[in-house]
Amino acid sequence: EAQVTQNPRYLITVTGKKLTVTCSQNMNHEYMSWYRQDPGLGLRQIYYSMNVEVTDKGDVPEGYKVSRKEKRNFPLILESPSPNQTSLYFCASSFLGASKGTDTQYFGPGTRLTVL
Amino acid sequence: KQEVTQIPAALSVPEGENLVLNCSFTDSAIYNLQWFRQDPGKGLTSLLLIQSSQREQTSGRLNASLDKSSGRSTLYIAASQPGDSATYLCAVEYYGNNRLAFGKGNQVVVIP
Repeated sequence: EAQVTQNPRYLITVTGKKLTVTCSQNMNHEYMSWYRQDPGLGLRQIYYSMNVEVTDKGDVPEGYKVSRKEKRNFPLILESPSPNQTSLYFCASSFLGASKGTDTQYFGPGTRLTVL
Repeated sequence: KQEVTQIPAALSVPEGENLVLNCSFTDSAIYNLQWFRQDPGKGLTSLLLIQSSQREQTSGRLNASLDKSSGRSTLYIAASQPGDSATYLCAVEYYGNNRLAFGKGNQVVVIP
């Protein structure tokens, strides 16, 4: 089954304790991306990757890191989480078209993160 | 700034009525536009994708149109059902941007 998986689905942590949220896709997509969703603010992109070892900042990259060492995986790293990073996080993936724009984006189920 | 707007934020319709959801965007240089559905606490499911060269896309009871010149897209859901209750999100990818700009969504309730 074609899918994007995220782990963990729920996480409660404390300020400053490093954490990683994993994302994996089995569709051989070149493009992967992380979003956060907050009430009243909607979905905002954090980072994206066009292919292995190619990453770039989205709209709200501060406080986050990513890496793309393999095509299927795109982990999101919070090295020193703060309460303002409490949010619902989504990973997404897509093929790239001839013009290097994305095609249909497939989203993971989400990770609900609470930072105390 | 490349903004995407969806109004109203919430609406209710009786079962069987046609649903019409609107999305407006500020820049006509779009690569594509997607409509998503999101159920409470769940991920997003892509419903329809319209490339910039297309005027509309259809899937079952769903039809989405795109008018770049006026900066608008409309999602039609025919003969709405209670199972259509969800939040519908419009997202635009602009040329050279490689990111989706999302509207804040239309929260729809279909009343049996």
